[in-house]
Parts: sequence; C-alpha cells; structure tokens
Amino acid sequence: AQSVAQPEDQVNVAEGNPLTVKCTYSVSGNPYLFWYVQYPNRGLQFLLKYITGDNLVKGSYGFEAEFNKSQTSFHLKKPSALVSDSALYFCAVRDPRRGGNKLTFGTGTQLKVEL
Amino acid sequence: NAGVTQTPKFQVLKTGQSMTLQCAQDMNHEYMSWYRQDPGMGLRLIHYSVGAGITDQGEVPNGYNVSRSTTEDFPLRLLSAAPSQTSVYFCASFGTQNSGNTIYFGEGSWLTVV
Repeated sequence: AQSVAQPEDQVNVAEGNPLTVKCTYSVSGNPYLFWYVQYPNRGLQFLLKYITGDNLVKGSYGFEAEFNKSQTSFHLKKPSALVSDSALYFCAVRDPRRGGNKLTFGTGTQLKVEL
Repeated sequence: NAGVTQTPKFQVLKTGQSMTLQCAQDMNHEYMSWYRQDPGMGLRLIHYSVGAGITDQGEVPNGYNVSRSTTEDFPLRLLSAAPSQTSVYFCASFGTQNSGNTIYFGEGSWLTVV
C-alpha cells in the first residue's frame, strides 16, 4: 500500500527566510509525487509534480521540490518566504500502475509565514 | 475554463436527511473521484470512476453512493446523513490524454450534519 508522511503539523518561518516543508513516501515502483496548497475555505491548488526526469522540480509561486529516491523524500522548498504563502500544504503520491486518480495524501502541514 | 465545479459550497443537514453533492467537469476527463478532508487526516478517497457507467469504492465508501451516467457529472449521494459525515468534500478529475498526469480539484463543499 502506498503512504505519505508529513512529519510536521506546522512550520513557522519569517518572511524572507527560506522554507522547507517535509514529505516522505512509501510506494512500490516509481512514484508520481505532487504538492497541493489549500488556502482557507478554498479548494486544493496544484503546485508542482514529479513524474520522471530531473530530480529538482519547479512549480508555481516560486516553489520547488527535490525528489530523492534513496531517502524516499519529496520536500517542498522556497528560497524566500512570503506572508501570502501561509496556507495548508499537502503532499500526495500516486502509483501509476494502480489507476488514474487514486492519490494518497499526507495529513497536511500548516505553513505560517510571519513578518 | 470552468474546470471542476462543485455545488453547493456550504450545506447544513439534520441527521437522517439525504442530499446530493454535485460535481461537473468540462475537460473531458475520464477519471473522477470524491475525497473527504478531515483535520489531521488529510484527504481520503470515498468513491471513484474510471469512465461513464463505471464506479468503484475508495478507502472510506460507507454511507455514500455515486453514479456516473455521463463523462461530465459525478454526483455524491448521502442517503441518511450522520454527524460523522461532517467534513469537507472535494471532487477531482483526471484525464490520461489531456491532464499532464495532474489531478484537478474542485473548490470543495463544506458539509455539517447536526
């Protein structure tokens, strides 16, 4: 069975500082990995994905993530955080062999960026 | 581009009432699914469909029914609502030909059962 772990319920960062939101996964075979962001009372917005190729993936709003197969991790990063980045972030994994839309989500990490 | 559209956005139900959450997508995606979001638990798959006329159960299907009579629509039915079904519900869609391996979500439906 596939699973995702987001070990931090909340991450606090000062504006202008780099941020990291951690994600590790477990899936047999080669995973498809995703990050989504949720603003209050809104749906999930797609940020970025890793399917294959370059381990460093760049996405929306200046975010990037690094796929590390040996550590089974897919941490989300941004070089300089903004207050407007404050939101709930979800990491998700899909096993492409199991069907098109079965995403397994982590429990989410609340990012708070303070002035 | 409408994308994935869910209605209603907010709903309060009494225990035992029934209701249907509507979901429609205009991207000609063959896959559609319903998730529920609960604090500390992430999103969990309720039911999914791989095409019109085909549905299957996800991780937490009890208390919910679905049908897929058209490619565009995938309604979620609560036949007899229970307080445990208080949650945020998300519809999602995915197309093998035109989705870039990305699953797209609706804006969510906040349901409270009292």
